[in-house]
Amino acid sequence: EAAVTQSPRNKVAVTGGKVTLSCNQTNNHNNMYWYRQDTGHGLRLIHYSYGAGSTEKGDIPDGYKASRPSQENFSLILELATPSQTSVYFCASGDRGVSNERLFFGHGTKLSVL
Amino acid sequence: GDQVEQSPSALSLHEGTDSALRCNFTTTMRSVQWFRQNSRGSLISLFYLASGTKENGRLKSAFDSKERRYSTLHIRDAQLEDSGTYFCAAEDTGGADRLTFGKGTQLIIQP
Repeated sequence: EAAVTQSPRNKVAVTGGKVTLSCNQTNNHNNMYWYRQDTGHGLRLIHYSYGAGSTEKGDIPDGYKASRPSQENFSLILELATPSQTSVYFCASGDRGVSNERLFFGHGTKLSVL
Repeated sequence: GDQVEQSPSALSLHEGTDSALRCNFTTTMRSVQWFRQNSRGSLISLFYLASGTKENGRLKSAFDSKERRYSTLHIRDAQLEDSGTYFCAAEDTGGADRLTFGKGTQLIIQP
């Protein structure tokens, strides 16, 4: 079964601080995604990537940067964290062309910005 | 407006009953994927469809193959473990390999 691992699982940050959320996948998928989940909004796409060195803006990219240094790793970076970025963040990997073409999700990172 | 609209937003059923969840799309979609989020927050993939129907046990999903503007998820003989929040996510035909999620249906199964 495909594996997507996020770290940390929980994070408390201060306003104005820098936060890095990490994601690792062992599926050899080209595509990786960062979503945030908030009550009343479902999951919203922040950034995504088509492969190492690629980052693309999703629907709500403001206040976030992304980095894809390798096929396996995709990070989400909050340079100056704000309380409005308190949320649960999900990383996913997936690939067009494989038989099931499914998205595989990590377990999520709960971020609180105080 | 939202590209993916789910209905109902919440549903409470007794064990043994059947239900249908629906996703409407404001534009033609390439594919749809259904997920269940459990009480621990984990997202579990149920179905991926590019067309037609798929069935797995008591769950069955369909994707309108003509206009590609809606999908349904049917739950037969609901059990307590079916409780959770169900999301559909659809990929548009633009080829960007990205899914847009609906806001979810919170399903509660009562004894």
